[in-house]
Amino acid sequence: AQTVTQSQPEMSVQEAETVTLSCTYDTSESDYYLFWYKQPPSRQMILVIRQEAYKQQNATENRFSVNFQKAAKSFSLKISDSQLGDAAMYFCAHRNTGTASKLTFGTGTRLQVTL
Amino acid sequence: NAGVTQTPKFRVLKTGQSMTLLCAQDMNHEYMYWYRQDPGMGLRLIHYSVGEGTTAKGEVPDGYNVSRLKKQNFLLGLESAAPSQTSVYFCASSYAGTGGAGGYTFGSGTRLTVV
Repeated sequence: AQTVTQSQPEMSVQEAETVTLSCTYDTSESDYYLFWYKQPPSRQMILVIRQEAYKQQNATENRFSVNFQKAAKSFSLKISDSQLGDAAMYFCAHRNTGTASKLTFGTGTRLQVTL
Repeated sequence: NAGVTQTPKFRVLKTGQSMTLLCAQDMNHEYMYWYRQDPGMGLRLIHYSVGEGTTAKGEVPDGYNVSRLKKQNFLLGLESAAPSQTSVYFCASSYAGTGGAGGYTFGSGTRLTVV
């Protein structure tokens, strides 16, 4: 079974600064997908960024980028030029490619953004 | 395009009462999922379905039943609610196969309190 570990329950960053959220995972598969989801106080789950395991190039979406280290099974999220609207719970998730393609989530990191 | 719609959004139950949570999606997705979210534990999979008429157990299925009589609907039932089932419940859906790269589409969640 897949497991996803987020070792930082809470993080804080000043506005306009850069912060990195950590995530490690465990899987026996060679092909899979990794995701970061954002959950603001509204409770809505919002997809931030995705990474296909077969791609060596790290994914980037505007101010959000990942550092994907397949051998180390590490998938960290970097947020550049942090904004007040980035304050939220962030979940790392792994998805297999087999039947049902279930998402396995980490326990989340709560990000605070200060002035 | 409504996406994934969950009803109700909030509910308070007394111990021993029963209820059904409804999830409806209008994207013709094959796969549907029910998760529960508890503080410090991330999202955990309760049950899932890979198609109309099929369901399977996830990580935490005890105390819940599901049905998928129509492709667009996935129902989660609590036959005899317990305080341990106090949680936020999320429904999600996705395409099958390579559509997994797109991640899930989530509903907005149901906050259930059992007293």
